Amino acid sequence: GENVEQHPSTLSVQEGDSAVIKCTYSDSASNYFPWYKQELGKRPQLIIDIRSNVGEKKDQRIAVTLNKTAKHFSLHITETQPEDSAVYFCAASMGTGRRALTFGSGTRLQVQP
Amino acid sequence: EAQVTQNPRYLITVTGKKLTVTCSQNMNHEYMSWYRQDPGLGLRQIYYSMNVEVTDKGDVPEGYKVSRKEKRNFPLILESPSPNQTSLYFCATVSFYEQYFGPGTRLTVT
Repeated sequence: GENVEQHPSTLSVQEGDSAVIKCTYSDSASNYFPWYKQELGKRPQLIIDIRSNVGEKKDQRIAVTLNKTAKHFSLHITETQPEDSAVYFCAASMGTGRRALTFGSGTRLQVQP
Repeated sequence: EAQVTQNPRYLITVTGKKLTVTCSQNMNHEYMSWYRQDPGLGLRQIYYSMNVEVTDKGDVPEGYKVSRKEKRNFPLILESPSPNQTSLYFCATVSFYEQYFGPGTRLTVT
């Protein structure tokens, strides 16, 4: 089955700096790659996603890049703010059959004011 | 408003005492799923259902049961809970690709 690895497990940045979180996946059939943000005690919330026919997608201060050949994708947050502090999860899905997401183990991002 | 609800939100129980966590959605989605979340392990799928009366195992199904008698409900059943089932549980539905998560149920088994 699919395996998703995520790095780093923790990341501390100064407010205003950029943050980058990286994930690799194992199954070349995966074609959907979402990123979730989870604040303490809350449910995961989708923040951005990308499909395998696209190499990059941006939404204001966040962007995701996908390299299908290398089977890795990354989340980029620019101009970080304290409210960006949370746990971020990447995931991969083949979008068929089980339609399950295989999640990475998460990255705890701390933005220091 | 599109919603996925779970009950209870918090539960402390003892080993061996059967319990059910309910999940309900108002989006008329066919696909529903249960995940458990443990520190350092992300979210792992327990069971999923593609439609009414159609359920199948996910990655970590041992010790759990589910049923899907109607489209909106997908309860998670622990027949004989054990301490290693202490976790945070999320129900989710899927529309095309996007998953909608319920608020979570924090379960502690002593």
